[in-house]
Amino acid sequence: GQQLNQSPQSMFIQEGEDVSMNCTSSSIFNTWLWYKQDPGEGPVLLIALYKAGELTSNGRLTAQFGITRKDSFLNISASIPSDVGIYFCAGQPVYNTDKLIFGTGTRLQVFP
Amino acid sequence: NAGVTQTPKFQVLKTGQSMTLQCAQDMNHNSMYWYRQDPGMGLRLIYYSASEGTTDKGEVPNGYNVSRLNKREFSLRLESAAPSQTSVYFCASSGRTGDYGYTFGSGTRLTVV
Repeated sequence: GQQLNQSPQSMFIQEGEDVSMNCTSSSIFNTWLWYKQDPGEGPVLLIALYKAGELTSNGRLTAQFGITRKDSFLNISASIPSDVGIYFCAGQPVYNTDKLIFGTGTRLQVFP
Repeated sequence: NAGVTQTPKFQVLKTGQSMTLQCAQDMNHNSMYWYRQDPGMGLRLIYYSASEGTTDKGEVPNGYNVSRLNKREFSLRLESAAPSQTSVYFCASSGRTGDYGYTFGSGTRLTVV
């Protein structure tokens, strides 16, 4: 089955640094979403994007729906220790609107 | 606010044993989903149920069966567990198919030896 290419796989950064991660697909998507998973928990929705070119913020998080509809980006500014976790992109492909396809995840570690 | 409740949280099975993972949601959601999470593979959809009385295969359905018992409950059954089914299993629900406010349970960690 299709999966989204998410990069980087992992990041080790210092508290206060900015973080960028992205997700790409060979297919066009209608919707892009970004989730965060804390250790031992299920993913929680951070940001949802519904239109090509859309730029949306949620506190220190900013995400964009790529113009080509085949990619999306998530930025975290001024990272803090509680940002630690796995970040997943997810998208709704145009060929099947019943379900989400998830990326492989970016594991973020923040050092004080 | 319980949201999505999964049981059990942990389980160890021997190869060939069967078991059922339980999932219940209290948000009156129509759609429910079962995913498995493996290192480096992200979340892969096993089965989903767009509404009570319907179920459909996802990306990796082989070796699994599901039952949408009622609107609240969606169970996942392993008839004959295999080591390849060692994984963390997540149940999720959403208000309607295509509503991307998925709410996830906290997962079941299954080990098959």
